[in-house]
Parts: sequence; structure tokens; C-alpha cells
Amino acid sequence: DIQMTQSPSSLSASVGDRVTITCRASQGISNYLAWYQQKPGKVPKLLIYAASTLQSGVPARFSGSGSGTDFTLTISSLQPEDVATYYCQKYNSAPYSFGQGTKLEIK
Amino acid sequence: EVQLLESGGGLVQPGGSLRLSCAASGFTFSNYAMSWVRQASGKGLEWVSGMSGSGDSTYYADSVKGRFTISRDNSKNTLYLQMNNLRVEDTAVYYCAKDRSGVPTAINYWGQGTLVTVSS
Repeated sequence: DIQMTQSPSSLSASVGDRVTITCRASQGISNYLAWYQQKPGKVPKLLIYAASTLQSGVPARFSGSGSGTDFTLTISSLQPEDVATYYCQKYNSAPYSFGQGTKLEIK
Repeated sequence: EVQLLESGGGLVQPGGSLRLSCAASGFTFSNYAMSWVRQASGKGLEWVSGMSGSGDSTYYADSVKGRFTISRDNSKNTLYLQMNNLRVEDTAVYYCAKDRSGVPTAINYWGQGTLVTVSS
């Protein structure tokens, strides 16, 4: 099975910072990758699908890139409401596994 | 408005069984693949199982294969997860989720979850 590895596992950044989270697949998955945001006590929310397509209603400061095995989620200017855990998920074929998550905090 | 309402969670002993249900509304249920995703307390998301909109195709995580069975009744707009031979490590909140298309893909709607606790 293809493994999804996110880095870092946690990070702390200041409001206004540019933040980048990486997701690496152990084998190529083309662009079959989604990113989710889960705020404390809430259900996950889809941010990006097809590696770089912004889900409707998601702020434009979020962006995704990558193809094959290496993917990034970027927040161009960190806001206080972005405190959350972020997950990537592959969906090229089953099992449709998630990365282990990246916990983002405000410094 | 899309709504997904899970039910059927609870406390069960190791080796026992539970059947989760997910009542869906606000969209044409048969047009969309559906998934079950679980999350143990303080842990990350774990994809458990998925099913195509037509019901022709099913998919499972290795951790539940042979023990869990996903099914759907498109006439009742309901998704199910039959869980047999439950283990302590199956303890988690189970989310019902709607995919973006008729085949498994990114998840664009989530239910609020139902808690399954496996303990003696």
C-alpha cells in the first residue's frame, strides 16, 4: 500500500507568515490528492482537491501544488483562525489513506 | 443543504458486533460515493471503507478487511457499516462522509460522527 507522510508533524508560526506543509506519497499518485483542515472539536473540512483546486468557499490564501509523489499546502498569510490540524489524503486507488496530520499553532 | 446523520454507535465488548447507519439528505444519494472515516481520541484521521454511488464497488482499509462490511440502500438514502469481531483498537468516532463524485474521491461533506467504544 502507498504510505502518505506529512512534514512537519507540528509547527508554530506568526500571524502573517507564509506556511508550507508537505505531503509525500511512497509511490506516484498523479494529482489524486486532497487537503483537509480540522479545527479543535470540529469535523474536517475540505480545502483542496486534485492537488491544487481550491474548494468553493475556501479563502484564497490557501493553495496546493505538486504531482506524483510530492505535494505542498501553502498558507500565504497565516491568520489566527487557521489554527488547526491539516491532513492530506490520497484517492488514486484504495486504500484512500490519510497522512498523519500536521498541527499548526500560532506563535 | 447536505446532511449526514450517523447512528448506531455505543459500547461493545471485544469480539462483538455493531451496525452503524448514516441517513443522508440534501443531495441525490445514488450519484455519490460514500465513505466511513474514523478518528480515535486525540489521534489522526483513518480512512476505513468506501463505496461507489451505484453500490457496485466497495473498498476497505487493511485494518478492517474481513471484519467490516459497507453497504448502502439508495432507496432509503442510507449508508451502513456492519462491524464484526470488534477489537479494542476499533474504538473511535466514526464519521460518515460524502465524496465529490460517484467514485471514491475527495470528501466534501462529513457527518458529526458516532462514538464506538470497544471495551470489556
